[in-house]
Amino acid sequence: AQSVTQPDIHITVSEGASLELRCNYSYGATPYLFWYVQSPGQGLQLLLKYFSGDTLVQGIKGFEAEFKRSQSSFNLRKPSVHWSDAAEYFCAVGATGNTPLVFGKGTRLSVIA
Amino acid sequence: EAGVAQSPRYKIIEKRQSVAFWCNPISGHATLYWYQQILGQGPKLLIQFQNNGVVDDSQLPKDRFSAERLKGVDSTLKIQPAKLEDSAVYLCASSSIRTGTYEQYFGPGTRLTVT
Repeated sequence: AQSVTQPDIHITVSEGASLELRCNYSYGATPYLFWYVQSPGQGLQLLLKYFSGDTLVQGIKGFEAEFKRSQSSFNLRKPSVHWSDAAEYFCAVGATGNTPLVFGKGTRLSVIA
Repeated sequence: EAGVAQSPRYKIIEKRQSVAFWCNPISGHATLYWYQQILGQGPKLLIQFQNNGVVDDSQLPKDRFSAERLKGVDSTLKIQPAKLEDSAVYLCASSSIRTGTYEQYFGPGTRLTVT
């Protein structure tokens, strides 16, 4: 069965500092991997996705993520965080592009001045 | 293009009452999902439709939850009777194989509070 672990429940970073959110997955084959962001009272917005090709993927809002098969990881990074990045971030895995997603529990990001 | 629409946005009911949620997916999206997101957790699948047929409802508590997607477009999710533990945000998402983007588009959700 698929599963996703996001080890950090809450992270606080200073505005302008770099960010890395961790995600580990469990899946027997090459998974479809996603990062979503959820602002308070909002639905989920896709930041980026990986399903094949280059293991470093670029997303919206300056985010990137790197797929490391050997570590079963898909960590999200941003070189310089803005106050508007404060939100909940979810890593998710799917068996294919058209199957239900299994989500991690999320990491809440707080940004301080 | 218009996004996934959901209504109502908020609902407060007492336990043992019934409630229904509505979802209108993105036009042309054949696949529709309902997820339940309990506070502090990630969304969890309740049911997946392909057109108007059910693909996966293995995690739907069928003794109290039901869902339908008539004509392969809009969908409704019903809870009867509601329990306290049903308090959550119910998210609807849609996707299309034809786009090749492998992206599920989520609606704003319905926040249900059961008292």
